Amino acid sequence: DTGVSQDPRHKITKRGQNVTFRCDPISEHNRLYWYRQTLGQGPEFLTYFQNEAQLEKSRLLSDRFSAERPKGSFSTLEIQRTEQGDSAMYLCASSLDQGGWTEAFFGQGTRLTVV
Amino acid sequence: QKEVEQNSGPLSVPEGAIASLNCTYSDRGSQSFFWYRQYSGKSPELIMSIYSNGDKEDGRFTAQLNKASQYVSLLIRDSQPSDSATYLCAAVMNRDDKIIFGKGTRLHILP
Repeated sequence: DTGVSQDPRHKITKRGQNVTFRCDPISEHNRLYWYRQTLGQGPEFLTYFQNEAQLEKSRLLSDRFSAERPKGSFSTLEIQRTEQGDSAMYLCASSLDQGGWTEAFFGQGTRLTVV
Repeated sequence: QKEVEQNSGPLSVPEGAIASLNCTYSDRGSQSFFWYRQYSGKSPELIMSIYSNGDKEDGRFTAQLNKASQYVSLLIRDSQPSDSATYLCAAVMNRDDKIIFGKGTRLHILP
């Protein structure tokens, strides 16, 4: 495994359903980030982890969004009661934080469509 | 003021010319800056990182950082059609180590 892996790559769901995405970071990377990206915009910060600790969750994020990183390895992002406005590309990135200079590498992303 | 700002473009550059992409950031304490390239429908790919004032060159790419002006740029020499993409500028915020991205600049290389 040489890169960040995300699953699934595509998800179509009906409004009101719950969805969960998984991210497997690069081995030994202690930082893990979740971003959301819509057409024509840059990646929007959602949340990030240092090992298993969630450091911050964006204030723009509703309570319908939750993320976990048990044991500091893979991470999951859950969206409850999905809305059409949740349709976007969800990106995961990981980095090795050694006190600064944290180059982050992205997975392929999960494209969510809420119908 | 947005934390990382870029002109969204599109920026059109003839093949073989130099493409110049610019970015400004608001957190004066930021120390680490990155440029990512993103092709349509794909995820961002890291192409350059820069941490010190001045220039950093890697092949056809040169990143420039001016911390006093809070300004980062990316130069692409001998532009190729395959360079057509969206270029994202990112900065690590000093206050909390988050990596924040700009909206990206769309670059078109004209054959």
